[in-house]
Amino acid sequence: AQSVTQLGSHVSVSEGALVLLRCNYSSSVPPYLFWYVQYPNQGLQLLLKYTSAATLVKGINGFEAEFKKSETSFHLTKPSAHMSDAAEYFCAVRGNTGGFKTIFGAGTRLFVKA
Amino acid sequence: DAGVIQSPRHEVTEMGQEVTLRCKPISGHNSLFWYRQTMMRGLELLIYFNNNVPIDDSGMPEDRFSAKMPNASFSTLKIQPSEPRDSAVYFCASSLGRGVAGIQETQYFGPGTRLLVL
Repeated sequence: AQSVTQLGSHVSVSEGALVLLRCNYSSSVPPYLFWYVQYPNQGLQLLLKYTSAATLVKGINGFEAEFKKSETSFHLTKPSAHMSDAAEYFCAVRGNTGGFKTIFGAGTRLFVKA
Repeated sequence: DAGVIQSPRHEVTEMGQEVTLRCKPISGHNSLFWYRQTMMRGLELLIYFNNNVPIDDSGMPEDRFSAKMPNASFSTLKIQPSEPRDSAVYFCASSLGRGVAGIQETQYFGPGTRLLVL
């Protein structure tokens, strides 16, 4: 069965600093992996996804993530944090049973300090 | 594109009352999902449909919860009777599922319905 673990429920960075949000997955088949972002009082929206093409995936708002099979990781990064990046971020993996439903991690809330 | 539409956006009701949440998926999408989000439990998948058929309802917490999808453009999530512990934000999402198994890819979320049961 598929699962996702997000390390750290809260991450705080200074504006302009590197953003690193960690995600490790477990999957018995080649995974499809996703990062979603949720701004306050809104639904989730897709940041980027990995679908077995390039291992470095670029998303919206300057975010990117690298798929590392050997480490079963799909960490999300952004070189320079902006105040508008403050939100909750969810890593997700597409399952391979029951219609291949998507399994979401617990989420990591990103705080950006001025 | 209007995106996923949910109504109402906010609902305040008293314990024991029936609550009906509504969702209109993105036109052309054939998979629809209902999620519940709370501080304590995070994001939980309640049920999802592919081609209007419920595929997995293992996340539905109790018999008080029921969901229907009478056609490709409309779904409801009903709670009867409602309880204070049902207070949460309920999200509907849709995606384009491929193949017989309805393989899911990117999900598009609605703005959510914020439910408060007093």
